[in-house]
Amino acid sequence: GENVEQHPSTLSVQEGDSAVIKCTYSDSASNYFPWYKQELGKRPQLIIDIRSNVGEKKDQRIAVTLNKTAKHFSLHITETQPEDSAVYFCAASSSGGGADGLTFGKGTHLIIQP
Amino acid sequence: DAGVIQSPRHEVTEMGQEVTLRCKPISGHNSLFWYRQTMMRGLELLIYFNNNVPIDDSGMPEDRFSAKMPNASFSTLKIQPSEPRDSAVYFCASSGIGELFFGEGSRLTVL
Repeated sequence: GENVEQHPSTLSVQEGDSAVIKCTYSDSASNYFPWYKQELGKRPQLIIDIRSNVGEKKDQRIAVTLNKTAKHFSLHITETQPEDSAVYFCAASSSGGGADGLTFGKGTHLIIQP
Repeated sequence: DAGVIQSPRHEVTEMGQEVTLRCKPISGHNSLFWYRQTMMRGLELLIYFNNNVPIDDSGMPEDRFSAKMPNASFSTLKIQPSEPRDSAVYFCASSGIGELFFGEGSRLTVL
């Protein structure tokens, strides 16, 4: 089955700086890569996703890049703000964009220092 | 839509007791998922249903865990008997053709 590794487990950055979270996956058939944000005591919520026919996707301050050859994808947050503090999960699936078979990484606790 | 609705939000029980967690998916979604979240193991998929039929239950830890989906608007996850190591947050999620929507979760503590 799929195995998703996520690094780092904790990331502390100064407000206004950029943050990068990296994930690797094992199944070359995986073609859907969502990122979820979970604030303390709340539910995970989708913030951005990318499919395997695209190398990069951007939405305001967040962007995701995908390298299929190396089987890794990354989340980039620019101009970080206090409300970006949360746990971020990457995931991978071979179901072509559906939620079936999503395997999650262990999460990255992002701390934004004022 | 009110989103995915789970109950109870918090449950504290003693070892050996039966626990039943409930979930109402978003109307129109045909897939329902049960996840368990712990610090050590992260988010683990326990089981998922498609059109009320269990598709993959390979994540269910052992026979003490069972899940049902009697209709498109209701699912239960049952633990009998419960053990302290079952303490976790249990999330139900549903999806239509793409994005996974999570409920608020049920925090279970087994003493």
